[in-house]
Amino acid sequence: DVKVTQSSRYLVKRTGEKVFLECVQDMDHENMFWYRQDPGLGLRLIYFSYDVKMKEKGDIPEGYSVSREKKERFSLILESASTNQTSMYLCASRPGGSYNEQFFGPGTRLTVL
Amino acid sequence: GNSVTQMEGPVTLSEEAFLTINCTYTATGYPSLFWYVQYPGEGLQLLLKATKADDKGSNKGFEATYRKETTSFHLEKGSVQVSDSAVYFCALSAGGANSKLTFGKGITLSVRP
Repeated sequence: DVKVTQSSRYLVKRTGEKVFLECVQDMDHENMFWYRQDPGLGLRLIYFSYDVKMKEKGDIPEGYSVSREKKERFSLILESASTNQTSMYLCASRPGGSYNEQFFGPGTRLTVL
Repeated sequence: GNSVTQMEGPVTLSEEAFLTINCTYTATGYPSLFWYVQYPGEGLQLLLKATKADDKGSNKGFEATYRKETTSFHLEKGSVQVSDSAVYFCALSAGGANSKLTFGKGITLSVRP
């Protein structure tokens, strides 16, 4: 079975903290993605990576950075967490090719106080 | 740019009712179209897809036909079950091999016994 795992299901942090969200896939996929999901807004793409050490900004990259040092791992970093970054964060991976299915992790519910 | 518009929700149906969820899109070229489903407490998973005009995707009793002339990809099911209660997202992928998914806002379906 294909699998995308995220480091935490629930996370509570304080304003100004540096936050790391980790995502690991075991399918040898080239592409990996980070989204945030908010009520009424659907899924919005933060960053994606189409290969190791490669990254591209999505629709809402402000306040976030990413790291992809190994093919299987894609990290999302909140340099200085703010309350408006309270959200559900979803990671996904995909074999290269836009026709291919994206596989999603279970999500991390982040609350910033 | 690319965009996906889904009908407003939420939708509440009785078991065995007919379901239609509307989805229209705007895109350049010839996008691939997808329906993803998110069950409570889980990440998204692919429900069905279509990669060219007039293709019909189907899975678990759900169907959707890629209509280029109306730029639509409506989701239908003849008889819904309580277990179909979930959030449904329409999405498109256009462009090259590393192109991203553009999601609609999602619609919540509740099926009552």
